[in-house]
Amino acid sequence: DVKVTQSSRYLVKRTGEKVFLECVQDMDHENMFWYRQDPGLGLRLIYFSYDVKMKEKGDIPEGYSVSREKKERFSLILESASTNQTSMYLCASSFGKGAEINQPQHFGDGTRLSIL
Amino acid sequence: AQKITQTQPGMFVQEKEAVTLDCTYDTSDPSYGLFWYKQPSSGEMIFLIYQGSYDQQNATEGRYSLNFQKARKSANLVISASQLGDSAMYFCAMRARGSQGNLIFGKGTKLSVKP
Repeated sequence: DVKVTQSSRYLVKRTGEKVFLECVQDMDHENMFWYRQDPGLGLRLIYFSYDVKMKEKGDIPEGYSVSREKKERFSLILESASTNQTSMYLCASSFGKGAEINQPQHFGDGTRLSIL
Repeated sequence: AQKITQTQPGMFVQEKEAVTLDCTYDTSDPSYGLFWYKQPSSGEMIFLIYQGSYDQQNATEGRYSLNFQKARKSANLVISASQLGDSAMYFCAMRARGSQGNLIFGKGTKLSVKP
């Protein structure tokens, strides 16, 4: 079974802090994704990556950056956390170079991040 | 523009009965895939079932089946013999070849199974 592991289930940080959310997958997937989920807004894509050291902006990249130094690890960085970044963050991974439409994304358990 | 619409914010079903969760989609790409995910209150997103745009038969996975009507652009999830553990949010998602492989999600339907 695919395992996507997010470093924390719950995290509380202060405004202005630099926050790191880590995600590791164990299935040698090429593709990795970061989403945020808010009530009534569904899942929104922040950033994604199709390969090591490669990143692409999603729908809402402002205020975030990412890092993918190794194939199995995809980090989301909040450069200077703000209260409007309080949310549920979900990491996902999938097989293939991005063109395979039948490959599902496999998700981690999510990180509930609160910015005070 | 590609879009997924789930018109039912919440649904109730009696235990052991079947329930249909609606999903309509919009895309101009002839090649696409449709996915359903379940999200319990604990937060993890669980992949349930997949349907390809060129698949001739409706997908089935255990108690889950997909009622795929291509001309109407609908991909409704049918859960048979509902169980209490089916209570969760359910998301429909689409992946089109022209979308760089990203998933586009609907807003979800909250299913509550009554004992």
